[in-house]
Amino acid sequence: DARVTQTPRHKVTEMGQEVTMRCQPILGHNTVFWYRQTMMQGLELLAYFRNRAPLDDSGMPKDRFSAEMPDATLATLKIQPSEPRDSAVYFCASGSGQVTGELFFGEGSRLTVL
Amino acid sequence: EDQVTQSPEALRLQEGESSSLNCSYTVSGLRGLFWYRQDPGKGPEFLFTLYSAGEEKEKERLKATLTKKESFLHITAPKPEDSATYLCAAPGGGGADGLTFGKGTHLIIQP
Repeated sequence: DARVTQTPRHKVTEMGQEVTMRCQPILGHNTVFWYRQTMMQGLELLAYFRNRAPLDDSGMPKDRFSAEMPDATLATLKIQPSEPRDSAVYFCASGSGQVTGELFFGEGSRLTVL
Repeated sequence: EDQVTQSPEALRLQEGESSSLNCSYTVSGLRGLFWYRQDPGKGPEFLFTLYSAGEEKEKERLKATLTKKESFLHITAPKPEDSATYLCAAPGGGGADGLTFGKGTHLIIQP
């Protein structure tokens, strides 16, 4: 059963600490997306990759967030330093690129920054 | 600016009581309108893609329709297991493949 895997599922940290979230996309999918979900803003696109190349990260605070895809099986989202306003659920999604809009989401990483 | 707006924000129905959820969009050069379902503590799950005005898609008790300015998700004789947040989305939020999501309609079906 192919699925997107995210770790950690939950993370509580203190302001100023570094946070790294990881995502394993579905094998064979060539597009990977990072979204952030909050009650106020809903789902916001942070960054996305096609064939491991970053195509857009305009939704991401550049000074503290970074997204990478070191290989086809791993995408990472790093926050350094973290702030309380970063508290949210972060979702990774992958797609085959053949049916635009049909994305497969992971179960999310719930981040709480104290 | 590309926008996707959903209404109502929340909807409570009795089991068997049919209704519709609305999604209006202002996206230039629309390349599809997508519906997702999200259960608590889970990621969104893809339901439908609609590409052109007049198109309809069905799955069990759900039917999605599309006009030039909005989409509807019709729920016929819903059951408690249909309770979820329903999200619509359109391409345009950051590049060719990025999706702009609405904030969703939180649907509760009471037995």
